[in-house]
Amino acid sequence: NAGVTQTPKFQVLKTGQSMTLQCAQDMNHEYMSWYRQDPGMGLRLIHYSVGAGITDQGEVPNGYNVSRSTTEDFPLRLLSAAPSQTSVYFCASSRDRSQPTYEQYFGPGTRLTVT
Amino acid sequence: AQSVAQPEDQVNVAEGNPLTVKCTYSVSGNPYLFWYVQYPNRGLQFLLKYITGDNLVKGSYGFEAEFNKSQTSFHLKKPSALVSDSALYFCAVKWGPGGSYIPTFGRGTSLIVHP
Repeated sequence: NAGVTQTPKFQVLKTGQSMTLQCAQDMNHEYMSWYRQDPGMGLRLIHYSVGAGITDQGEVPNGYNVSRSTTEDFPLRLLSAAPSQTSVYFCASSRDRSQPTYEQYFGPGTRLTVT
Repeated sequence: AQSVAQPEDQVNVAEGNPLTVKCTYSVSGNPYLFWYVQYPNRGLQFLLKYITGDNLVKGSYGFEAEFNKSQTSFHLKKPSALVSDSALYFCAVKWGPGGSYIPTFGRGTSLIVHP
């Protein structure tokens, strides 16, 4: 299994540009989520999904959109990039959100810089 | 408020000495506690978890953690530190049903093991 994959690994955007960060998992996990990691802030939840067709907002959803059309894929869209969105983005998955015992599997991250 | 805290931004220890990385939590009901490790330029990796039962939990790479309900803590420990243990460590907690079992992460603790 490849686990959780993310593309691209690095991206530089200009303010106002849009882009999609890709995330895929091959473990048939129901729960997927996006985090951003900033120095001193830890991991902050952006959006999450408990299954195909179901998404919800996390702690810091503004400026980001998600969709979940398949179990495997959970892309994150930046509609109009801002310098405040400069961060490292991680996608994670776990078997089932309703079962609290499951740990999360993380992708390798996307380092995004907005100039 | 429900939360998880890692009171130390950085922990320094000499190789061969025991190490402790602290985590405290504040949630309603029973907590489900996790430790993850992040090596430079990598995603987070699961180390260990406490769900129920024995308060001492053993995990990967020789790490263990002790759940203390009265002190609401879940400190990560290792009897003899290695230089290769140097990394960023995150504590996470899940609770429900108000928390909907969505994990909340601490801000992370940087562990530096000196040769």
